[in-house]
Amino acid sequence: DTEVTQTPKHLVMGMTNKKSLKCEQHMGHRAMYWYKQKAKKPPELMFVYSYEKLSINESVPSRFSPECPNSSLLNLHLHALQPEDSALYLCASSQGPGDSTDTQYFGPGTRLTVL
Amino acid sequence: DQQVKQNSPSLSVQEGRISILNCDYTNSMFDYFLWYKKYPAEGPTFLISISSIKDKNEDGRFTVFLNKSAKHLSLHIVPSQPGDSAVYFCAASALYSGAGSYQLTFGKGTKLSVIP
Repeated sequence: DTEVTQTPKHLVMGMTNKKSLKCEQHMGHRAMYWYKQKAKKPPELMFVYSYEKLSINESVPSRFSPECPNSSLLNLHLHALQPEDSALYLCASSQGPGDSTDTQYFGPGTRLTVL
Repeated sequence: DQQVKQNSPSLSVQEGRISILNCDYTNSMFDYFLWYKKYPAEGPTFLISISSIKDKNEDGRFTVFLNKSAKHLSLHIVPSQPGDSAVYFCAASALYSGAGSYQLTFGKGTKLSVIP
């Protein structure tokens, strides 16, 4: 089983709203990731959690706030977003750090539209 | 500077023929390579991978070849089927300095169209 689930599938929010994206995996993976993907572009890494600790933050604006409540869950809290933040937000998970053949498995994504 | 390049934005192939998707990289620290398939508005699906210690990996209709000296890899799909029509991303993995985690660098993707 290589399933990563994400909710919601679609989200429309105003620039003053606060919303959260959720991601879940039950593969026992110890690393989880948030990516942002714009149309016709490759995924761009935002955050990496290893063993529930933030290990990589790719200079993402503070209006995006990640949270890893436990090893199976990953949230992305959104506040005061801009229209240019509209994109497909992808969650991924992998076995974890230290493995050079670590394969990331992606969820279906949340299509976010900021009005 | 693009470290992983997929120079063909699109490729059209007749059903039943071979599809060959190419990928070049510049960073010699990459030691694991992956191919993902992506349909519109969906997440990438892992397809096949290859470690830098190998030069070929095969899984059913999909074969990935790695030429380390040329810093080049390719994905062969034989025979191609209409359901293979999607965007294919090449990704390369390297240790992220100071973090202990491996990070993927993606190419821009190649859109494959398999014509019935």
